[in-house]
Amino acid sequence: NAGVTQTPKFRVLKTGQSMTLLCAQDMNHEYMYWYRQDPGMGLRLIHYSVGEGTTAKGEVPDGYNVSRLKKQNFLLGLESAAPSQTSVYFCASRPGTSGHYEQYFGPGTRLTVT
Amino acid sequence: AQRVTQPEKLLSVFKGAPVELKCNYSYSGSPELFWYVQYSRQRLQLLLRHISRESIKGFTADLNKGETSFHLKKPFAQEEDSAMYYCALAYSSASKIIFGSGTRLSIRP
Repeated sequence: NAGVTQTPKFRVLKTGQSMTLLCAQDMNHEYMYWYRQDPGMGLRLIHYSVGEGTTAKGEVPDGYNVSRLKKQNFLLGLESAAPSQTSVYFCASRPGTSGHYEQYFGPGTRLTVT
Repeated sequence: AQRVTQPEKLLSVFKGAPVELKCNYSYSGSPELFWYVQYSRQRLQLLLRHISRESIKGFTADLNKGETSFHLKKPFAQEEDSAMYYCALAYSSASKIIFGSGTRLSIRP
């Protein structure tokens, strides 16, 4: 049982390049989340999904797009990377069962945009 | 609006000293509160939740509804407690958890 995995672990992009971060979970969780973590700002929610085929905006969605075509995968896309998107990105998931709010996190992706 | 406030960005204490990381929340109903911990370059992991009323790694946290607080405490800090700590709030009908901005705890030898 791998839990939540993220691909890649590290990436360096040039301004204007695009990329996709992959999050996968093998716990059959309904809900999935993408956060970014920046010094002094804590965790900020980018987008989230409450089920296969559904997505919603979080606190800082601009410049990012997501897709949840399969229940176990949640993709985060950057169409045209900017230096302000240099950050550590965490994916998380949790069951959809009422009362089960604990989120399980992936190991993170460290992205640098030059 | 629901909010979680961690007033200290950094807390530095000596090994063996007591630790208290502050967390205040705003929510009018019955929230579920959590503490998450992130050790250096690792993923966030759940430390404890108020519903279970347990002590993990010597840490405890009591929900004080009157003061809307959920402070994290440990009587004697250890060097391995150095980490980033996040307080988080969940509530029924919400599909999201609200995280505080985090407190970095540094234990000095």
